[in-house]
Amino acid sequence: QVQLQESGPGLVKPSETLSLTCSVSGGSISSYYWSWIRQSPGKGLEWIGYIYYSGATNYNPSLKSRVTISVDTSKREITLKLNSMTAADTGVYYCARDSGKTYPLLGLLDVWGKGTTVIVSS
Amino acid sequence: DIQMTQSPSSLSASVGDRVTITCRASQGISNFLAWYQQKPGKVPKLLIYGASILQSGVPSRFSGSGSGTDFTLTISSLQAEDVATYYCQKYNSAPWTFGQGTKVEI
Repeated sequence: QVQLQESGPGLVKPSETLSLTCSVSGGSISSYYWSWIRQSPGKGLEWIGYIYYSGATNYNPSLKSRVTISVDTSKREITLKLNSMTAADTGVYYCARDSGKTYPLLGLLDVWGKGTTVIVSS
Repeated sequence: DIQMTQSPSSLSASVGDRVTITCRASQGISNFLAWYQQKPGKVPKLLIYGASILQSGVPSRFSGSGSGTDFTLTISSLQAEDVATYYCQKYNSAPWTFGQGTKVEI
């Protein structure tokens, strides 16, 4: 059973860059699309973007100017970088796998990591 | 972007009650609508996709319907373990967006 584990700093200063890693275990990283989603009291669930194992990406236009998602298949890791952090970016960040059930249509997230809490504060 | 609006934002019902949650899309999305369940302190879990297709392992008391802009999630007989927040999500095209959630309490 594939498992996802997010890791990274729990506290980030305003204007800094957040870097989070999602480690994939128990299953293949290949042939799947991998997303980052965040959850905050103010904005609910928000899809940040996805990456295919080949490196192809798609980002939410609302965050596109600040986001980079990358993949390292040898390490079985997906990385999220979000720059120019503000208090509005505080929340729980999840990585999730696309189920592939409706390919080529994407968006069904069937495996989620437990999430990591990020607080933006000086 | 297409906005997803759920109603009600919260509800309280008794065990055995029939519960219905509504999700409305600001534009038509055909049947590309999913429902997720998030229990307290847990991560979202995919319940239904294609507006009405149950994900494997989901109890049959859950059902979904709708097409276009209006969708419903129904729990035919509410159980204590169904206490959770339910989210709809459209996936006809990126960006994928979620409703604000409906909190179901006993």
